[in-house]
Amino acid sequence: GAVVSQHPSWVICKSGTSVKIECRSLDFQATTMFWYRQFPKQSLMLMATSNEGSKATYEQGVEKDKFLINHASLTLSTLTVTSAHPEDSSFYICSANAMTSGDSYEQYFGPGTRLTVT
Amino acid sequence: GQNIDQPTEMTATEGAIVQINCTYQTSGFNGLFWYQQHAGEAPTFLSYNVLDGLEEKGRFSSFLSRSKGYSYLLLKELQMKDSASYLCAVMDSNYQLIWGAGTKLIIKP
Repeated sequence: GAVVSQHPSWVICKSGTSVKIECRSLDFQATTMFWYRQFPKQSLMLMATSNEGSKATYEQGVEKDKFLINHASLTLSTLTVTSAHPEDSSFYICSANAMTSGDSYEQYFGPGTRLTVT
Repeated sequence: GQNIDQPTEMTATEGAIVQINCTYQTSGFNGLFWYQQHAGEAPTFLSYNVLDGLEEKGRFSSFLSRSKGYSYLLLKELQMKDSASYLCAVMDSNYQLIWGAGTKLIIKP
C-alpha cells in the first residue's frame, strides 16, 4: 500500500521557538494532504487541508499565522509551529488521499510527530 | 451539523466476536472508513465502504447501510493485540473525513 512518512517522529523544543514537521508521500502523488492534531485520549482533530500549489484551508479555531502549512510539491507538505507554547504539545499527524481503482479513496496516515514544548 | 456516534468503550474476551457500531449524519457521503489506532500511534486503515452491504477482510468485516446512516465493524477470533481504539470516519461531500471519537476496545484473556 501507499506509504506516508513524517519527520521528525518526535521533537522537544523550548517555548517561543519554531518547529517544522515534514510529511511526504513516498510512492504516490498527493494533491491533497491533511494535518491533524490529537491530544491524549481524544479523537483526531483536523487542523487544515493542504493543496499543492495553493494556500491551505484551515479549520475554524486554528490560527493560520501560528501553524504555517506549505505544500511545495505533490509529495511534500510541511507544518511549521511558530512561537510554540506548552499548550501546543500534541501528536501531529499528516495524511494524504490516494485514489484507488474506480472512485475509491483511501487515506494514508503518516506515523505522527510527537511535539513537546517545554 | 455533522455527527458521528460510536460507543466510548467496549470489553470482549479473547477468541470471541465483537461488533462496534457507528451511526452518522453528514453533509453528503463519499464513503465510510474504519481505522485501528493503538495508543501513541497513528491510525491504520482497516476498511472502506461506499456501497451497502458487508465487506469481509480476514478476521475483520465492515457493514454499511446508507439509508440508515449506520455501519458496524465486526471483529472475529479476537486476539489480545486487537486491544486498541477503533475509529469510524465518513468522507463528506467535500471529500474530507469527519471523525468519530473512537471506541476503545479492551480484550480480556
